[in-house]
Amino acid sequence: DQQVKQNSPSLSVQEGRISILNCDYTNSMFDYFLWYKKYPAEGPTFLISISSIKDKNEDGRFTVFLNKSAKHLSLHIVPSQPGDSAVYFCAASDLLGTYKYIFGTGTRLKVLA
Amino acid sequence: EAQVTQNPRYLITVTGKKLTVTCSQNMNHEYMSWYRQDPGLGLRQIYYSMNVEVTDKGDVPEGYKVSRKEKRNFPLILESPSPNQTSLYFCASRTGQGAYEQYFGPGTRLTVT
Repeated sequence: DQQVKQNSPSLSVQEGRISILNCDYTNSMFDYFLWYKKYPAEGPTFLISISSIKDKNEDGRFTVFLNKSAKHLSLHIVPSQPGDSAVYFCAASDLLGTYKYIFGTGTRLKVLA
Repeated sequence: EAQVTQNPRYLITVTGKKLTVTCSQNMNHEYMSWYRQDPGLGLRQIYYSMNVEVTDKGDVPEGYKVSRKEKRNFPLILESPSPNQTSLYFCASRTGQGAYEQYFGPGTRLTVT
């Protein structure tokens, strides 16, 4: 039972354009959501997060949107740069409950120069 | 430098031979966790620890043991490794309060033959 789903295994975007990565979840108890970026041969690094009491969080070129009614979040990268090419994981947690983290399967983003 | 370290980075072993993967963090973090990454399955949480002597199961704990005798260390123990435990393993840590992003180690690639 995949509680966090990233349905697009890969995405290619032209440099300078917007990258939109999507994530769906099924558990309404999740109250915190995070995005991580992973380069080959390295551990994931934290990118941006959002609490369930918000619907948007912005940090520089990265914005995360949360639609609780649709149980959907998305990561927008504007403008996309070649260095953004990596695998992106979304993760969810119910921090007031189990303190577990559930990760999606990842989306490989390729930004074309 | 704030970091999570794992050892060894690469390990090839045989079925049934007990092994330990060490994890250490120098950030005085209360929360530590182990994940495995497999193709098509993303990151799955094995065990986590809220603090010294407090551990709990993640989503895929079968075949693994952990201990948290000191705040900085969180070793992962495979008492009798099997080929289905061949995977890429990550250790992560975070503070106990206020910030929920985890810092990941560089990974340990384990092959069980």
